[in-house]
Amino acid sequence: GQSLEQPSEVTAVEGAIVQINCTYQTSGFYGLSWYQQHDGGAPTFLSYNALDGLEETGRFSSFLSRSDSYGYLLLQELQMKDSASYFCAVRTSGNTPLVFGKGTRLSVIA
Amino acid sequence: DAGVTQSPTHLIKTRGQQVTLRCSPISGHKSVSWYQQVLGQGPQFIFQYYEKEERGRGNFPDRFSARQFPNYSSELNVNALLLGDSALYLCASSLDSYEQYFGPGTRLTVT
Repeated sequence: GQSLEQPSEVTAVEGAIVQINCTYQTSGFYGLSWYQQHDGGAPTFLSYNALDGLEETGRFSSFLSRSDSYGYLLLQELQMKDSASYFCAVRTSGNTPLVFGKGTRLSVIA
Repeated sequence: DAGVTQSPTHLIKTRGQQVTLRCSPISGHKSVSWYQQVLGQGPQFIFQYYEKEERGRGNFPDRFSARQFPNYSSELNVNALLLGDSALYLCASSLDSYEQYFGPGTRLTVT
């Protein structure tokens, strides 16, 4: 089977840094993606890691360790608008759809 | 460019009825995937179509079916609706790469 584990909820203070972890166990692995979803909205793409290491895009960074089947999303300089659900997702082969985790609900407080 | 569009946005059906959901991908995108998202969970894969052919099917019963048209738009059909089919149905298109572009979804409520 396929499983992705991530914390269900995280709370952080505005301006701070937060890390959302994801561990995966899948039949194949091509890459790890992160999506953001606001309440009532559609998931939007944040980042993708196919190789080990850190990818940085503005305030968001994503890390992957293939040997540990582990990745994380790092959000810096948190803003209230970052309050949303964050999903990690694995592509198990070249052209297959994504297998999603259950999501982490991030609440940013003042 | 317009994003992925889905219709209708909301739908209320009765158990046993049938429903058809529609999706138009981003222009130039030939791959369309359907996902079901139950409240509090991540999206779960239902179908993928590429160039009008089914490329993949998730763990859903035969009551679920889909097709893709020559213009790459797609329909998802669900027969004999159950209460448990109540969910947000998401359509995503891609250029066959790692990034999927999701539509706003159709919120289906089965009563």
